[in-house]
Amino acid sequence: SAVISQKPSRDICQRGTSLTIQCQVDSQVTMMFWYRQQPGQSLTLIATANQGSEATYESGFVIDKFPISRPNLTFSTLTVSNLSPEDSSIYLCSAREGFSGNTIYFGEGSWLTVV
Amino acid sequence: GESVGLHLPTLSVQEGDNSIINCAYSNSASDYFIWYKQESGKGPQFIIDIRSNMDKRQGQRVTVLLNKTVKHLSLQIAATQPGDSAVYFCAEGNTGKLIFGQGTTLQVKP
Repeated sequence: SAVISQKPSRDICQRGTSLTIQCQVDSQVTMMFWYRQQPGQSLTLIATANQGSEATYESGFVIDKFPISRPNLTFSTLTVSNLSPEDSSIYLCSAREGFSGNTIYFGEGSWLTVV
Repeated sequence: GESVGLHLPTLSVQEGDNSIINCAYSNSASDYFIWYKQESGKGPQFIIDIRSNMDKRQGQRVTVLLNKTVKHLSLQIAATQPGDSAVYFCAEGNTGKLIFGQGTTLQVKP
């Protein structure tokens, strides 16, 4: 199974600033995704990180607020821009090996608090 | 505006009993389903998955049942242990991405 590491694991940020979260997978994966989990809620898909091209965003999420990079098959970053207290959440990176039907694994998450 | 957190349904069981956690999914085109366990302070941990061409799959102490007619998924945990206490999420997959259900909190009483 793929092992997914995220950095930072936790951070406290000032409103108006930005935070970049890194996601490293220990093997090459076909697809990588970014999720948000607000306090007490389920996971919501932000976007699919596409290798070498622009990410595919879900409804309600835009590139200006959540720019994503994926320079290769093992690494991706998510930036949360112009932070507000409403952005306080867990941000989770996930990855899928192979094609449709293969298991999707998650990192431990990056816990963001905006003050 | 201010968002209000959802209250996750809770299932409370006695240690040693069997647990059944239910999930209704929304998309009849979903072809892949997964159950995850999330302990406090951790990311989701894969438990078991099932493809849409199956109706039952068993793992170690866990069984997933899929009823496509009523779009229902269930997770059965045999001989529930204190370490099973967590939030359990079902997720449905289509075109490679997962959409998560609301989640159920499982509490195991000693």
